[in-house]
Amino acid sequence: GAVVSQHPSWVICKSGTSVKIECRSLDFQATTMFWYRQFPKQSLMLMATSNEGSKATYEQGVEKDKFLINHASLTLSTLTVTSAHPEDSSFYICSARDQETHNEQFFGPGTRLTVL
Amino acid sequence: AQTVTQSQPEMSVQEAETVTLSCTYDTSESNYYLFWYKQPPSRQMILVIRQEAYKQQNATENRFSVNFQKAAKSFSLKISDSQLGDTAMYFCALFHQAGTALIFGKGTTLSVSS
Repeated sequence: GAVVSQHPSWVICKSGTSVKIECRSLDFQATTMFWYRQFPKQSLMLMATSNEGSKATYEQGVEKDKFLINHASLTLSTLTVTSAHPEDSSFYICSARDQETHNEQFFGPGTRLTVL
Repeated sequence: AQTVTQSQPEMSVQEAETVTLSCTYDTSESNYYLFWYKQPPSRQMILVIRQEAYKQQNATENRFSVNFQKAAKSFSLKISDSQLGDTAMYFCALFHQAGTALIFGKGTTLSVSS
């Protein structure tokens, strides 16, 4: 099956710093990638949809200047949490849709962000 | 608007027994897909089973099967011969249009005990 990797899997940073999370589709080309945020024992909350080579589409209530998303290639999308604060601490999951099989999303293992 | 509703926040079952998780959805689209995902304590999302709306036959994957009632917009998951490794959070999800994200329900936490 298709594999999506995320890096890092776990990061701790100080308040005010920026953190970059990478999402890669390892064995397929992903025209569309998605970024989700998940709080403990809750569902996945869609933050944004990114298409290769174009600007991301953010969901209502998600600050685009705080959560910068770049989808520079068909296999890589990055999420940068800028000027992180403790309330940004969460579990972030990326997902990619295969260019060939448009109806299935493959998920990365997630990144746990802790802001001190 | 497309919505997915899971009305059971928590369920528990004994090993080897059968359990059914409920899911209802709403969509105005005629062509869509439904999924059940499992999220174990590792938090990796794992696809359990999928159903194309145009298929009348219920999908089956080993111990996992669905009861897809299109008119009622219901999509329940049955787990037979439950195992300890089935302990996880289960999400029902709807997909209807290329380029858009899956729409998830709130999830059901399933605990399997020995």
